[in-house]
Amino acid sequence: DIVMTQSPDSLAVSLGERATINCKSSQSVLYSPNNKNFLAWYQQKPGQPPKLLIYWASTRESGVPDRFSGSGSGTDFTLTISSLQAEDVAIYYCQQYYSDPPLTFGGGTKVEIK
Amino acid sequence: QVQLQQWGAGLLKPSETLSLTCAVYGGSFSGYYWTWIRQSPGKGLEWIGEINDSGGTFYNPSLKSRATISTDSSKNQFSLRLSSVTAADTAVYYCARGTWAARLGFWGQGTLVTVSS
Repeated sequence: DIVMTQSPDSLAVSLGERATINCKSSQSVLYSPNNKNFLAWYQQKPGQPPKLLIYWASTRESGVPDRFSGSGSGTDFTLTISSLQAEDVAIYYCQQYYSDPPLTFGGGTKVEIK
Repeated sequence: QVQLQQWGAGLLKPSETLSLTCAVYGGSFSGYYWTWIRQSPGKGLEWIGEINDSGGTFYNPSLKSRATISTDSSKNQFSLRLSSVTAADTAVYYCARGTWAARLGFWGQGTLVTVSS
C-alpha cells in the first residue's frame, strides 16, 4: 500500500494569512503516460462528508475558491490556502489514487484560526 | 445537480451483515466510479472499495474479503454489504461518485453504523 503522511497534524493561522499543508507519499504517484499526479485534496467540516478541492495534484474542482491551490509532483505535495477565511476551518486530507487497491488517505491536518 | 442519498441499518450486533444502499439523483449512472469509504469515530478515512467505470470491483485487502459492492443501474443505486461485523467496523460510512481523474467527486451524507452486542 502507498502510505500518505501529512504534516503538520494541526496548525493555527491568523485570518488573511497563508496556510500550508504538506503531504508525502511512500512512492511516486506520477502516472507517466499523461504526466499527471494521482493526488487529491479534500476538506471536511464537522458533521459533513469530505469535499473534493483539488485533483491531479493541482487542478481545482469546479466552484472551489482560487485561494486554494495544490502543487508538487512525485512524492511531495502541498495544499496552500493563500488567505485564510473563517469558513476554511476544517480538517484537510490528501489521498492517492495512483495505486489501488487500496486508495489511501493521509491522516489529516486540522486548520484553526489563531 | 448530482445528489447521493444513502440509507441502511444503523445498529448491528457482532457477526451480522452490514447493508447500505446509495441512490444517485440528477446524473448519469454509467461511466463513473462508485465507491464506499468509512470513517471511524474521531479517526481518518478508510477506502472500502469501488466499482469502476468498466464494472470491475476492487476492495481494500484489510477487509479480508468481507465486503461486496454491487450496482443496480435500473434503479441508479449501488450497495455495500460487509459480513461478520465486529465493533471495529463501527464508523460513518459514505458513498461517493467519481471519475478516473477525480475519484471521489461527490459524496453521500454519511450513515453512522454502530456494532454493539
